This record gives sequence, C-alpha cells and structure tokens, in this order.
Amino acid sequence: QKEVEQDPGPLSVPEGAIVSLNCTYSNSAFQYFMWYRQYSRKGPELLMYTYSSGNKEDGRFTAQVDKSSKYISLFIRDSQPSDSATYLCAMIGTGGAQKLVFGQGTRLTINP
Amino acid sequence: EAGVAQSPRYKIIEKRQSVAFWCNPISGHATLYWYQQILGQGPKLLIQFQNNGVVDDSQLPKDRFSAERLKGVDSTLKIQPAKLEDSAVYLCASKGTSGKETQYFGPGTRLLVL
Repeated sequence: QKEVEQDPGPLSVPEGAIVSLNCTYSNSAFQYFMWYRQYSRKGPELLMYTYSSGNKEDGRFTAQVDKSSKYISLFIRDSQPSDSATYLCAMIGTGGAQKLVFGQGTRLTINP
Repeated sequence: EAGVAQSPRYKIIEKRQSVAFWCNPISGHATLYWYQQILGQGPKLLIQFQNNGVVDDSQLPKDRFSAERLKGVDSTLKIQPAKLEDSAVYLCASKGTSGKETQYFGPGTRLLVL
C-alpha cells in the first residue's frame, strides 16, 4: 500500500464547474499537507499549505484536511481553463529528517 | 526573488553513458532536495542536503547516482552509468528556514535514456 493515494484521472470538467480533488494517506505522523500545481514541462508550484486538520481558503481554492479519516481535499470554484494542470497532494511529518511524500497527481482539464 | 535554477533543461543520452545535472537554489535556502519524477507519477525524493551535509539519501541508488553540494550552495547530481529506467524529470527544490515546510521547485531536467 502506498503512503499517499491519489486518483490519477484524467479529470475533465466544463469551465465554471466546481472541482474536487482528493487524497488519502496511511501515515498518521503526517502533520503538514500541501497541494502543488504542475503545468506541463514545469516544476511543481505550491498552491495551498495546511497544518493539521481544518479548512483553508485562498481565493477560488479551498483545502480541507480530515486527519481522523486520513483524507485531504482541494476544491476549485469557478474553474478556469488556466487551471488545467496536474495537481499533486503532498504531506510531511515533523522533524528535520522527514520526507515530503507526494501523491501520483491528478491531471485536470477545464474545457472552455 | 529569483527561483530555483536548473540546467540543462533537456538531455538525451544512451544507456551506460554518464550525465550530470546542476541546481542553484534560492539565495539563502539552506536545504536542497533532488527528486526523480517518472512520467505519470509524483516526485520521489532522492537526496536531501542541509547546507553541504547529507540529511537523507536512503532512496538514492548509490551504485550509479551521486550528488554533492560543495560550499552549501549549488548542487550537482550525477548518474553513471545510466539505465533506461532512469528516464525521468529530475527536479531540484530548496527550502528556507522560516519554519514552514514549503519547498520551492525548479523547472526540472528532462532526461531520456535510449
């Protein structure tokens, strides 16, 4: 079993739709949860950063963490064609030697 | 603020040849990472440096991969000899000392081994 599971998609939705992306994990030591966006032939860029459980909102993006269920989500409201990318969840525990563990990534396409 | 720089952007080599990648992290970032991202997968950590010391290289195939970070700034990752399964994007990332676990990634070097 992988430490972090993410549906690779692809996911295709019309412009303006609400997008829901999810990851599950097995390591209860994870404390920091991130979502990265990766455009084709580019490096990942940090989109959202959350510590422990709860919600965090940034513009059209909302990140949710449910540590009791070991489940994290990213919601994109009013999706735009420019949101078309691969979205990677990532998580890490505390302590200097902890590794950032990534999900497989979900490939998202927003159709105009 | 300049981002993480990597070169070359693309490299094509034949199996059993050697190749080297270079990374220049964000100025002042003490922690530097090398990741391997195989097509369709998330990045996998190969090695982590704190200044010029290795923190974690448990997933680095040491029989063929080596990395160094002389003077605690730039870093190079080398593969010798390359295998077909080494075809991937090699990403460099760096992290500051703000206390947050935020890593900033470079554009990556896309390696194709024929």
